[in-house]
Amino acid sequence: NAGVTQTPKFQVLKTGQSMTLQCAQDMNHNSMYWYRQDPGMGLRLIYYSASEGTTDKGEVPNGYNVSRLNKREFSLRLESAAPSQTSVYFCASFRTESYEQYFGPGTRLTVT
Amino acid sequence: QKEVEQDPGPLSVPEGAIVSLNCTYSNSAFQYFMWYRQYSRKGPELLMYTYSSGNKEDGRFTAQVDKSSKYISLFIRDSQPSDSATYLCAMSEYSGGYQKVTFGTGTKLQVIP
Repeated sequence: NAGVTQTPKFQVLKTGQSMTLQCAQDMNHNSMYWYRQDPGMGLRLIYYSASEGTTDKGEVPNGYNVSRLNKREFSLRLESAAPSQTSVYFCASFRTESYEQYFGPGTRLTVT
Repeated sequence: QKEVEQDPGPLSVPEGAIVSLNCTYSNSAFQYFMWYRQYSRKGPELLMYTYSSGNKEDGRFTAQVDKSSKYISLFIRDSQPSDSATYLCAMSEYSGGYQKVTFGTGTKLQVIP
């Protein structure tokens, strides 16, 4: 049972480059989330998906897009990376019965 | 004003001490109150969650919620070096068709052997 997996673990991009962060969960959860974590700012929600086929903006969606490919996978895309997007990105899935969010190990992204 | 306020610390205590971590909040719609632990370079993991005012105990950890004061606490008894981590409070409400979770900024704890 892998839980929530994320790839890649680390990435360095130049300003203007694009990339996709991948996330998958094997716990059959309906809801999935993408957060970014910055010093002094805590975890901030970028996008969420309440169920397969639906996605909605969170607190800081600008510069990002998402795809809920199926129940397992939820990807985050940066179309034109900016230095302000340097952060640690976490994917999470939500277990309704216990109100628990399960987090992946994170992706450390640096944009130069 | 942030919806959830948490003292960032850092907090440094000797092994065996009782640790008290606290958060305040302003949103009366919050229904569930959670504490997450995050080790360096890892994702957060849930420690405890509570729904109502009062205390909830799990081993050396006690979560306390006071809805009237909009204040939550996490107590760690007999603290161990392995408790050294950042502790995030989190609160959730059902909003816009999903469970919206708002996190505190985290308190970094160091337990010194």
